[in-house]
Amino acid sequence: GAVVSQHPSWVICKSGTSVKIECRSLDFQATTMFWYRQFPKQSLMLMATSNEGSKATYEQGVEKDKFLINHASLTLSTLTVTSAHPEDSSFYICSARGGAATANNSPLHFGNGTRLTVT
Amino acid sequence: AQKITQTQPGMFVQEKEAVTLDCTYDTSDQSYGLFWYKQPSSGEMIFLIYQGSYDEQNATEGRYSLNFQKARKSANLVISASQLGDSAMYFCAMREGLSGANNLFFGTGTRLTVIP
Repeated sequence: GAVVSQHPSWVICKSGTSVKIECRSLDFQATTMFWYRQFPKQSLMLMATSNEGSKATYEQGVEKDKFLINHASLTLSTLTVTSAHPEDSSFYICSARGGAATANNSPLHFGNGTRLTVT
Repeated sequence: AQKITQTQPGMFVQEKEAVTLDCTYDTSDQSYGLFWYKQPSSGEMIFLIYQGSYDEQNATEGRYSLNFQKARKSANLVISASQLGDSAMYFCAMREGLSGANNLFFGTGTRLTVIP
């Protein structure tokens, strides 16, 4: 149980174009999804917290107009990288709380990530 | 200050041997949870084990165990009987507070290589 699907797994785009990444919870309802960015050989850095039906909360230093997050349903959140530049090339990974559990011990379940390369 | 510190960028272990991956944390909360995740080269994050701040027993999950020393604020991961498939990045993470909706803070990771 608690499967998170992320699509696409990799994408190459030209500078200036926009890329949309989808994150779906397949067998549970995720009221909260988190979007992380990971540079090579580095840790996961939280970009934003996405709550269903409300605006995402962005971490300091993350441009909300560049990284558009939409969480329109309990099973889908999207991250759109607008007007992508080479410095946006990175590994983006989403996660969601497992099921209806609100306990502290509920692990985050992660998608498989999206490797974005902007040329 | 870093909330999670992993001081070992890389570790090597002989197949079938045990290995300990270090993790220290920093929080002023009394309630928190500690997690370990494995990230293979394919990129997915695989949940391994959890330890709650109020848990008196060290958590165990199969070959994984967590050496929780609350006074030292450490939560080291012990992998017993290492297998080649254990080669991966390992991240220690912490969630502060009681709500499962809170974010996880990750350490910088340790790359484990299992030698045949």
